[in-house]
Amino acid sequence: NAGVTQTPKFRVLKTGQSMTLLCAQDMNHEYMYWYRQDPGMGLRLIHYSVGEGTTAKGEVPDGYNVSRLKKQNFLLGLESAAPSQTSVYFCASSRRRSSGTDAYGYTFGSGTRLTVV
Amino acid sequence: DQQVKQNSPSLSVQEGRISILNCDYTNSMFDYFLWYKKYPAEGPTFLISISSIKDKNEDGRFTVFLNKSAKHLSLHIVPSQPGDSAVYFCAASVGSGGYQKVTFGIGTKLQVIP
Repeated sequence: NAGVTQTPKFRVLKTGQSMTLLCAQDMNHEYMYWYRQDPGMGLRLIHYSVGEGTTAKGEVPDGYNVSRLKKQNFLLGLESAAPSQTSVYFCASSRRRSSGTDAYGYTFGSGTRLTVV
Repeated sequence: DQQVKQNSPSLSVQEGRISILNCDYTNSMFDYFLWYKKYPAEGPTFLISISSIKDKNEDGRFTVFLNKSAKHLSLHIVPSQPGDSAVYFCAASVGSGGYQKVTFGIGTKLQVIP
């Protein structure tokens, strides 16, 4: 059981280049998320998806696009990378929380360290 | 506006003693609180949670306490072990059905000294 798998683990981009970060989960979770982690900022939500074919903006969506064509995959795209997008990116997934039930913890991938020069 | 605050960036504790990590929040609508643990070069892992209708939840060496009137929660680790050395994130959730919006604190780095 792999959980949440992110590729690549490391990447260096030049300003203006594009790339796609891949996230795959094998737990049949309905919800998936992309976060970025920066020093002193904690984890900030970029985009999320509550199901196949559905995406929504999070707290810091500018400069990113996402797609969820299959339930198990959630892609994060950077069309024109900027140095401000240097960060560690985490993908996560969770079950749908039903009314009256406990909150579910997220399962995170191991992260992608992206440097934009 | 930081709705979930972890004011201590780091904490050092001797092995075998108690570690207490603190978290404050401002949004009274949060209905669940969670703690995550993160090792270097790994993603955060879910540790323990507590509903806003409870004041304590225990899981082995980990206990989370919630003081709603003070909008404060804490994670107690007893006894602390060197393997507990990690960054601990406090998180708060709102949304009783479907999508739950989760806000994370900036983390507290715990070092357990052997």
